[in-house]
Amino acid sequence: LAKTTQPISMDSYEGQEVNITCSHNNIATNDYITWYQQFPSQGPRFIIQGYKTKVTNEVASLFIPADRKSSTLSLPRVSLSDTAVYYCLVGGLTYNTDKLIFGTGTRLQVFP
Amino acid sequence: ETGVTQTPRHLVMGMTNKKSLKCEQHLGHNAMYWYKQSAKKPLELMFVYSLEERVENNSVPSRFSPECPNSSHLFLHLHTLQPEDSALYLCASSQGTSAYEQFFGPGTRLTVL
Repeated sequence: LAKTTQPISMDSYEGQEVNITCSHNNIATNDYITWYQQFPSQGPRFIIQGYKTKVTNEVASLFIPADRKSSTLSLPRVSLSDTAVYYCLVGGLTYNTDKLIFGTGTRLQVFP
Repeated sequence: ETGVTQTPRHLVMGMTNKKSLKCEQHLGHNAMYWYKQSAKKPLELMFVYSLEERVENNSVPSRFSPECPNSSHLFLHLHTLQPEDSALYLCASSQGTSAYEQFFGPGTRLTVL
């Protein structure tokens, strides 16, 4: 399983764009990159998933370079409610013993 | 509303008690998970069931015993727990394992005295 590395914490201010980068040097050909958001005392919530290039949805964008060894989650114009822990995971779409490992994540603190 | 419910939401138990946590998913998913999250620590995957068969056991102590009677229900039976087992226990479900989107329940906050 691919191991991921991401910054422990980041600070930002309301209205700014936040980019969180995740390294996954050992990503496999059939692995997807998935990001989750977790608020205190709640379960993680799926944000976005991609395989290559760029994916955008209503809350975030995911940028994946051609070598797929890293990815960047981009949160446009963050607000105080975006303060949370963000997890980057890699894994394939399977029905077998593969699993996603939630690492330490990146703790994002948004200030007024 | 995530479609995954957990009961109870809070549980306080002594070290000699036996209790069970229940999880139910209404999403038609084929995989269910138990996670443990201690204070300021990463999520720890405890058990995975795919198509009602347990496919992963991450060397969790035997005082935790999972049960998956069908694809919609998942239990975690607890006995002779230790204070260090106090944590938030989260259940999740997904269509398949691995990269399929996991939907999490609200969790059970467990305190072992």
